[in-house]
Amino acid sequence: ELKVEQNPLFLSMQEGKNYTIYCNYSTTSDRLYWYRQDPGKSLESLFVLLSNGAVKQEGRLMASLDTKARLSTLHITAAVHDLSATYFCAVDKETSGSRLTFGEGTQLTVNP
Amino acid sequence: IAGITQAPTSQILAAGRRMTLRCTQDMRHNAMYWYRQDLGLGLRLIHYSNTAGTTGKGEVPDGYSVSRANTDDFPLTLASAVPSQTSVYFCASRRTGTAHLPLHFGNGTRLTVT
Repeated sequence: ELKVEQNPLFLSMQEGKNYTIYCNYSTTSDRLYWYRQDPGKSLESLFVLLSNGAVKQEGRLMASLDTKARLSTLHITAAVHDLSATYFCAVDKETSGSRLTFGEGTQLTVNP
Repeated sequence: IAGITQAPTSQILAAGRRMTLRCTQDMRHNAMYWYRQDLGLGLRLIHYSNTAGTTGKGEVPDGYSVSRANTDDFPLTLASAVPSQTSVYFCASRRTGTAHLPLHFGNGTRLTVT
């Protein structure tokens, strides 16, 4: 059974600071996804990581994938209040019928 | 605007009642999914469909059923609602195959079973 764990689950940080969210998964995986969810809203796709060493960046967010360590990171650079949201990682495998398994989510609060 | 439409947006339902959550997409995606979201548990897959005419069970299928009569629609039915089914339900879809594409999500249905 594929398990996905995120760390930390809650993160409160000051504007301008850097931080990293970690996503560990239990078995070898073909694909890793990051999503953002604002309170009371739907999920929005941020990144798709497809291979070992893959790195994607969008604004102040950068995601990376290490398939050997079964670890993905979402790095936040110089946080701003608008980044406050819940961030989910998700993993799927071809053998699972293309079903995504989600982590618990990391609730990020960026304080002025 | 292309996307996924879920209905209703929210519902309060008495325990024991039957309820169908509707989901329609206009992107011609072959795969569709139903997830439930509960605080501290992330999103858990209820049922999925890789193509019209086929369905499969996810992580938490008990008490739910689905059908996929055509590409666009994927309704989720609670035959006899129980309070533990109080949750936010998200329908999602994507095109599978050679491209590794992310899921598109609907806006969710907030269901309260009393």
